[in-house]
Amino acid sequence: EAGVAQSPRYKIIEKRQSVAFWCNPISGHATLYWYQQILGQGPKLLIQFQNNGVVDDSQLPKDRFSAERLKGVDSTLKIQPAKLEDSAVYLCASSLNAMEVFVSRYEQYFGPGTRLTVT
Amino acid sequence: KQEVTQIPAALSVPEGENLVLNCSFTDSAIYNLQWFRQDPGKGLTSLLLIQSSQREQTSGRLNASLDKSSGRSTLYIAASQPGDSATYLCAVREQGAQKLVFGQGTRLTINP
Repeated sequence: EAGVAQSPRYKIIEKRQSVAFWCNPISGHATLYWYQQILGQGPKLLIQFQNNGVVDDSQLPKDRFSAERLKGVDSTLKIQPAKLEDSAVYLCASSLNAMEVFVSRYEQYFGPGTRLTVT
Repeated sequence: KQEVTQIPAALSVPEGENLVLNCSFTDSAIYNLQWFRQDPGKGLTSLLLIQSSQREQTSGRLNASLDKSSGRSTLYIAASQPGDSATYLCAVREQGAQKLVFGQGTRLTINP
C-alpha cells in the first residue's frame, strides 16, 4: 500500500513570495490533515479536511495561508505572502474516517514532509 | 486547553541500555495516545497507539503504558540500539476532537 505522498520535499523562498505544497493521501482515507512543525517543536495542526469539507482550521493563519482539497483526494496548502517565521516542515497526514468515533483503531499516517526555508 | 509535555528534551545513552521516555498531558479526557518516531528529514512513523481503555501496548522491544487518571504515558525501549536514535513524539487525541495534540519530542541518541 502506497503511503502519503508530498511534494516538493524542500523549498527555499524569499519573504513575501508565495509557495504551494501538494499532498496525496493514502487511497481510501477520508480525512486529511496539514501540520506545521517548527524546529524543536511538535507538529501543530493547521487544517483538517473530511472528504472535501473543512472540519478544523482554527489554527490556520487565514490572512496568508489557504488550503483546498478538491474532489476529496489530493490537497494543496498555499502560503502568500511568506514570512520568516513560516520556516518549518509542513507535514501531511491521512486517516480513515475520523468522524466515526467508534472505529476501533484510529491512526494517522504521515508523509515525509516539505521543509520550507524563508530567507 | 490540552497541553502535552515530554521530558527529557534530549537523552543520550550507551547501546544496550533499557530506557524510559516520559509524556504527560493536562486533560485526561482523551480518546487515545500515540507514540511516533521521527528521523531527521523524515515524516512521522507510528510506533504504538493506546486506546483510553487500555493500560499498555507492546511491539517488539517497545512497550508503552498509559495512566489516564494521572495524565501520564511512558515509552520503554529495551536493549537500545544505535538504530533507535531518533526523535520520539507522543500525541493525544481528545474526546470529541479529531486532531492530535503533540508534545515537543525527546531527541534520543544511542551511542555505540
